[in-house]
Amino acid sequence: DTEVTQTPKHLVMGMTNKKSLKCEQHMGHRAMYWYKQKAKKPPELMFVYSYEKLSINESVPSRFSPECPNSSLLNLHLHALQPEDSALYLCASSQDFGEKLFFGSGTQLSVL
Amino acid sequence: SQQGEEDPQALSIQEGENATMNCSYKTSINNLQWYRQNSGRGLVHLILIRSNEREKHSGRLRVTLDTSKKSSSLLITASRAADTASYFCATAGGGFKTIFGAGTRLFVKA
Repeated sequence: DTEVTQTPKHLVMGMTNKKSLKCEQHMGHRAMYWYKQKAKKPPELMFVYSYEKLSINESVPSRFSPECPNSSLLNLHLHALQPEDSALYLCASSQDFGEKLFFGSGTQLSVL
Repeated sequence: SQQGEEDPQALSIQEGENATMNCSYKTSINNLQWYRQNSGRGLVHLILIRSNEREKHSGRLRVTLDTSKKSSSLLITASRAADTASYFCATAGGGFKTIFGAGTRLFVKA
């Protein structure tokens, strides 16, 4: 299984809502990532987890809260988002840092 | 933060032609990778070239790396309409980060 599975594929939420994005991989990869991508822009790194521990937080606002319950799962909890947070949120994993990234198909998020 | 720039930003060619995209970066790297993204979807890894390599091939793809100039190029030979996508270079240094360049949007006309 060489897939990274992300759910949901689409999400519309209001600014007062709380929602979560989910990501799962069964490749035994040690590193998992959240990227944010705006239209016609490159993916921007948000968070990096190594062996279930947060290794990098790229100064992401606290309204985004990552969680890694186990080595296969990665969540991104969303609360009190702003319309400018609307974007494609991509999860990725890799065997080791700096190696080939396997991406999920992303969650297209719209904040109203 | 964005590592580098890619050019051209957009490229339109006829099917059967070759497509060349360039990537420049700013800091020392362990490797450089190229990814492809179809509209609104996840990225797909194409090829990885390590800092001690100068050229690498994979099918119709040829990647070169010049660490003295901090630049790389991706050549797609005999392009097909199905190659229409955005192409990103990404660099990995000594830390945990893989950082993406701005990307080139390729359109191959049938």
